[in-house]
Amino acid sequence: GENVEQHPSTLSVQEGDSAVIKCTYSDSASNYFPWYKQELGKGPQLIIDIRSNVGEKKDQRIAVTLNKTAKHFSLHITETQPEDSAVYFCAATPEGGGNQFYFGTGTSLTVIP
Amino acid sequence: EAQVTQNPRYLITVTGKKLTVTCSQNMNHEYMSWYRQDPGLGLRQIYYSMNVEVTDKGDVPEGYKVSRKEKRNFPLILESPSPNQTSLYFCATSRGGSYEQYFGPGTRLTVT
Repeated sequence: GENVEQHPSTLSVQEGDSAVIKCTYSDSASNYFPWYKQELGKGPQLIIDIRSNVGEKKDQRIAVTLNKTAKHFSLHITETQPEDSAVYFCAATPEGGGNQFYFGTGTSLTVIP
Repeated sequence: EAQVTQNPRYLITVTGKKLTVTCSQNMNHEYMSWYRQDPGLGLRQIYYSMNVEVTDKGDVPEGYKVSRKEKRNFPLILESPSPNQTSLYFCATSRGGSYEQYFGPGTRLTVT
């Protein structure tokens, strides 16, 4: 099956700086790559996603880039704020996999005021 | 209000005592899934369902059962829980044909 690796596992940045989290995947047939934010005591929440026919997608301070050739995708958060502190997960879904998802191991982001 | 509810939210039980964690959604979503979350391992899919009476194994199905008799409900059954099933469990739903998942609040299970 698909194998998704996520780095780094922890990340601390100063408020206002940028944060980048990277994921790699193994199955070249994967075609959907979501990013989830999980705040303490809550379930993950989708913040942005990208499909394999798109190289980059942006939503205000959040962007995701996808390199299909290298099989990696990244989450970029600019102008970080303390409320961005959370655990972030990447995931991948193989084409034709229906509702089957493979998640990375998570990145704990701390934004220092 | 669109909701995914899980019950119970916290459960401490003993090895071998059958238990059921319920998941219910009011969004009329076709797809539902169960995940477990463990430190350092992220989220791993246990089972998923693409519609009533249609279920499939995820990455870590051993020791779990599910059923989908109604569209809104997708219970997770542990017939004989063991300590290695101590974990944080999440139910998730999505509309058929959409990959966007909505997660429940989680159920923290401890098996002693």
